[in-house]
Amino acid sequence: QSVLTQPPSASGTPGQRVTISCSGSSSNIGSNTVNWYQQLPGTAPKLLIYSNNQRPSGVPDRFSGSKSGTSASLAISGLQSEDEADYYCAAWDDSLNGPYVFGTGTKVTVL
Amino acid sequence: QITLKESGPTLVKPTQTLTLTCTFSGFSLSTSGVGVGWIRQPPGKALEWLALIYWDDDKRYSPSLKSRLTITKDTSKNQVVLTMTNMDPVDTATYYCAHSRPGYGDSFDYWGQGTLVTVSS
Repeated sequence: QSVLTQPPSASGTPGQRVTISCSGSSSNIGSNTVNWYQQLPGTAPKLLIYSNNQRPSGVPDRFSGSKSGTSASLAISGLQSEDEADYYCAAWDDSLNGPYVFGTGTKVTVL
Repeated sequence: QITLKESGPTLVKPTQTLTLTCTFSGFSLSTSGVGVGWIRQPPGKALEWLALIYWDDDKRYSPSLKSRLTITKDTSKNQVVLTMTNMDPVDTATYYCAHSRPGYGDSFDYWGQGTLVTVSS
């Protein structure tokens, strides 16, 4: 039911850079800002990035976001073991598909 | 600090109505721009947004579930209630409530711990 498409998985070794893509359309990412959430195993999601590239207080600057057209990306530099989690992009949608839509989610594994 | 907590039944039967309550502290739902939303997550699956109510009683619903959902607020009790009618086993999920405020990209910046609801006869 998700209208934002993410790769199901991504992985890297400690210290590496990992990038997660999020593909949408003109009615969501193309028209509105993108937010990213991190969900550690067994816990509630946590806001990681808002307004495409802004970090809430307390989020390490290893996490960065960007947006271009109808796609967005989350980058994790200097990957750490505690970054192993599920990551979701999200955006408001101006069409009938739904005011707020989440991505399909990406599982990041630290090798 | 801002906290939210979901409460309600852990088990409901098919066709029954689910009523969930989000009790929060650290903010007021009468403050301009503030909202409280509901999001669910079936076991092992992705997040799905359900509904959102704003400080001014503006309400938004997922179009695919709109006919089954009702969201209300009680500002004096610091609570938001979500009802979902005609529950089905596919509605089995962890249900979260979350806080939204201006200046954060219309995101959900604080979340409750979630409550698992199982639909089974």
